[in-house]
Amino acid sequence: NAGVTQTPKFQVLKTGQSMTLQCAQDMNHEYMSWYRQDPGMGLRLIHYSVGAGITDQGEVPNGYNVSRSTTEDFPLRLLSAAPSQTSVYFCASSYFSTGQKLFFGSGTQLSVL
Amino acid sequence: AQKITQTQPGMFVQEKEAVTLDCTYDTSDPSYGLFWYKQPSSGEMIFLIYQGSYDQQNATEGRYSLNFQKARKSANLVISASQLGDSAMYFCAMREGNTDKLIFGTGTRLQVFP
Repeated sequence: NAGVTQTPKFQVLKTGQSMTLQCAQDMNHEYMSWYRQDPGMGLRLIHYSVGAGITDQGEVPNGYNVSRSTTEDFPLRLLSAAPSQTSVYFCASSYFSTGQKLFFGSGTQLSVL
Repeated sequence: AQKITQTQPGMFVQEKEAVTLDCTYDTSDPSYGLFWYKQPSSGEMIFLIYQGSYDQQNATEGRYSLNFQKARKSANLVISASQLGDSAMYFCAMREGNTDKLIFGTGTRLQVFP
């Protein structure tokens, strides 16, 4: 029972590089989302999706791109990394309902130099 | 717009004592859900407890209870009989019925001392 799987766990990038954070879930959840966690800021929503082919922006979407081609996968792309994107990134999923809790991945520590 | 406020950046409690972590929220939707998550130093996010806006009784899960005061828009987490392993960051979050998003507060760092 894998749950939500995020890769990689750690990544160091140089300014201007691009990369994709991978997220996969095996619970058939409709809802998937990406958060970033910065000290003193809590978790802030980057992008989310309520099903394959449907994505929307969260609170801090600039500099990030997402797509949802399958129910299982929701990759997050950094188009041109900046030091301000140094953060811990969490992917999360749930059934789509007000009362459904989020299941979180283990997080990705990203440093942009 | 929905908003979650946690005004306590840090809290200390002695082992075996109870502690209350504050959370207030703002929403115009009558249907919403409130969540508490724990994040230990290892970094994972652990679900603790859920309260729906139409639930008549306060939610409880073992040593965790949620003091839900709808009129005051507060959803405080009460941890009874604190343990050293309760030392962690605690996040309050809300999901509105008419949106797809779960919004988090900035968190409270709880430290339990012997």
